[in-house]
Amino acid sequence: AQSVAQPEDQVNVAEGNPLTVKCTYSVSGNPYLFWYVQYPNRGLQFLLKYITGDNLVKGSYGFEAEFNKSQTSFHLKKPSALVSDSALYFCAEGYNFNKFYFGSGTKLNVKP
Amino acid sequence: AAGVIQSPRHLIKEKRETATLKCYPIPRHDTVYWYQQGPGQDPQFLISFYEKMQSDKGSIPDRFSAQQFSDYHSELNMSSLELGDSALYFCASSSRQDKELFFGEGSRLTVL
Repeated sequence: AQSVAQPEDQVNVAEGNPLTVKCTYSVSGNPYLFWYVQYPNRGLQFLLKYITGDNLVKGSYGFEAEFNKSQTSFHLKKPSALVSDSALYFCAEGYNFNKFYFGSGTKLNVKP
Repeated sequence: AAGVIQSPRHLIKEKRETATLKCYPIPRHDTVYWYQQGPGQDPQFLISFYEKMQSDKGSIPDRFSAQQFSDYHSELNMSSLELGDSALYFCASSSRQDKELFFGEGSRLTVL
């Protein structure tokens, strides 16, 4: 069965430090992987996606993610965190475009 | 750029009433998805449509139904509402050719 895991409920990081939000997937074959950010009472904003090609994907607002097939991971990263990055982050995966599964979400807290 | 439009943004209903949510996908997108996000939960897949035909079904209650119309907009109909139906309902649309997946701002349903 397809599933995606975000092992950390919360990640705390100081402003200016690098951040990593973890995501692992379990779908077999070639997954489609997405990262979204959600601010309170708002929709899911697209950050980046992995479809095929380069394992390092660059997205919006300075975020990037690395697809690692051997570890079935797609961790979200940013070299220098901003306070405004504080939000809820969701990883999503699908095998086709009929449906996508979401992880449980990771709350990112960036402290000044 | 055009985004996914959902209406209404907020809806308050009584138990056992009926509610209808509407979704207008991004132009030229061929697939529409409905998700339900309860408080503090990750989005749960309900149903999707590809070129106006149901393409997949998730944990959608029998009291709910959905369809996609000839102009590609979609409606989610919810009957015999229960307190537990209170949630944020997201619509997303995708282009299988461009491998895009974007979400609307959501419709918040409150059942009293």
